[in-house]
Amino acid sequence: DTAVSQTPKYLVTQMGNDKSIKCEQNLGHDTMYWYKQDSKKFLKIMFSYNNKELIINETVPNRFSPKSPDKAHLNLHINSLELGDSAVYFCASSQEGAGGNTIYFGEGSWLTVV
Amino acid sequence: AQSVTQPDIHITVSEGASLELRCNYSYGATPYLFWYVQSPGQGLQLLLKYFSGDTLVQGIKGFEAEFKRSQSSFNLRKPSVHWSDAAEYFCAVGFYGQNFVFGPGTRLSVLP
Repeated sequence: DTAVSQTPKYLVTQMGNDKSIKCEQNLGHDTMYWYKQDSKKFLKIMFSYNNKELIINETVPNRFSPKSPDKAHLNLHINSLELGDSAVYFCASSQEGAGGNTIYFGEGSWLTVV
Repeated sequence: AQSVTQPDIHITVSEGASLELRCNYSYGATPYLFWYVQSPGQGLQLLLKYFSGDTLVQGIKGFEAEFKRSQSSFNLRKPSVHWSDAAEYFCAVGFYGQNFVFGPGTRLSVLP
C-alpha cells in the first residue's frame, strides 16, 4: 500500500493550459504539503494544510491553487501554465505540523510545460 | 532565518569506499534533523532522523549520522558504499511548530 500517492506521475502540457495533480495519503496524518523541486534539485515548500485548513502559503503565484476536500487529500491545480512551472511536484504528509514530525513524500509528479 | 547547507554539491566515491556527506544548519536552538535520499526518478525516502538522546543515530541501508551540537552539524556516513547508493541526498532541519528546511542536496556517484 502506497502511503502517499500522487497522480499523474508524468505530465506534458502546453503553455496556457490548466492542469491538476492529485494527492492522497492513507497514513491518517493531519498535515499535507506540496513541494516544488526545480531543475537544480532544490526543494521548496509551496503549501501546507492541516485538517483541510491552509497553514502555509509561501510566495507562489496565485495561478497555483491547492484544494483539500478532506484531510487525506490535497490536490494542486495550476492555471495558465508557464514554461517556468516545469518541475517536479511532491506531495507529502506528516502527523500534525512538521518540525518534530517526519514528512513522508509521494513519488513526485514530473510536469513539463512546452 | 534558519538555513541548511550541504557544502558538497557532488561527490564521487568508489564502490566499497567509505562515505561522509556533510550537513550544517544555522539556528539558535537544537532542531530536529533528518536525512532523506532521492533515487533517480523517485520520491524522497527517509534514511534516519535525530530528535534527542544519543547523538549517533542509525538508519536504513547501513547509514548512520552523528549530531554535533558544537559544530551545528549532522553528517551522514556509511562505511562501505554500494553502487545502489548513487542518488541525491538531502539534509533537512525541522523546528517544532515550524516547517522543514531542506538543504540543497548532495549528488552521490559511485564508481565500479
